[in-house]
Amino acid sequence: GENVEQHPSTLSVQEGDSAVIKCTYSDSASNYFPWYKQELGKGPQLIIDIRSNVGEKKDQRIAVTLNKTAKHFSLHITETQPEDSAVYFCAPKNTGFQKLVFGTGTRLLVSP
Amino acid sequence: GAVVSQHPSRVICKSGTSVKIECRSLDFQATTMFWYRQFPKQSLMLMATSNEGSKATYEQGVEKDKFLINHASLTLSTLTVTSAHPEDSSFYICSARDSLAGVRGLYEQYFGPGTRLTVT
Repeated sequence: GENVEQHPSTLSVQEGDSAVIKCTYSDSASNYFPWYKQELGKGPQLIIDIRSNVGEKKDQRIAVTLNKTAKHFSLHITETQPEDSAVYFCAPKNTGFQKLVFGTGTRLLVSP
Repeated sequence: GAVVSQHPSRVICKSGTSVKIECRSLDFQATTMFWYRQFPKQSLMLMATSNEGSKATYEQGVEKDKFLINHASLTLSTLTVTSAHPEDSSFYICSARDSLAGVRGLYEQYFGPGTRLTVT
């Protein structure tokens, strides 16, 4: 089955800094690459996703980059704010199958 | 749009009793729903895939007789934890995929807010 790892497991930054979280996966058939944000006591929410035919996607302060050859994709958050503090999960998927396999998670703490 | 609700948000029950958790897609139809369990400071682990009108598919290691799943309509799936024990205490999260998503080339799953189960 898919083996998904995230690095780092925790990340502390100062407000205004950038944060980068990397997701490494094992299934070369994965072709959909979402990132989810989970706040304490809540369900995960999709914040950005990318398809395998695209190398990068941006949405305001967040971006995702994909390296299919190396089987990893990364979440980039610029100008971080305290409200960005949460746990972030990647969940690469082969769209031929229904289920998502979540990564190990990264706890981001943004200090004011 | 694309809202998934769960009820209850938190529940405390005594060991040996059963608890039912509901998952509803509010503004779309979901042929497929998913149930996850999340222990503190851990990732989400898929328990089962629930398909409307048919039996759920359970992941390896998940007891189907203990975690009963019913998906009787296109907007409702239920998870019943039978004979609950303290080790079943966890955060249970459901997600749903829009039935029309495949036609539209969309792959997003929409997640509910979760249900915190505490078994005493």
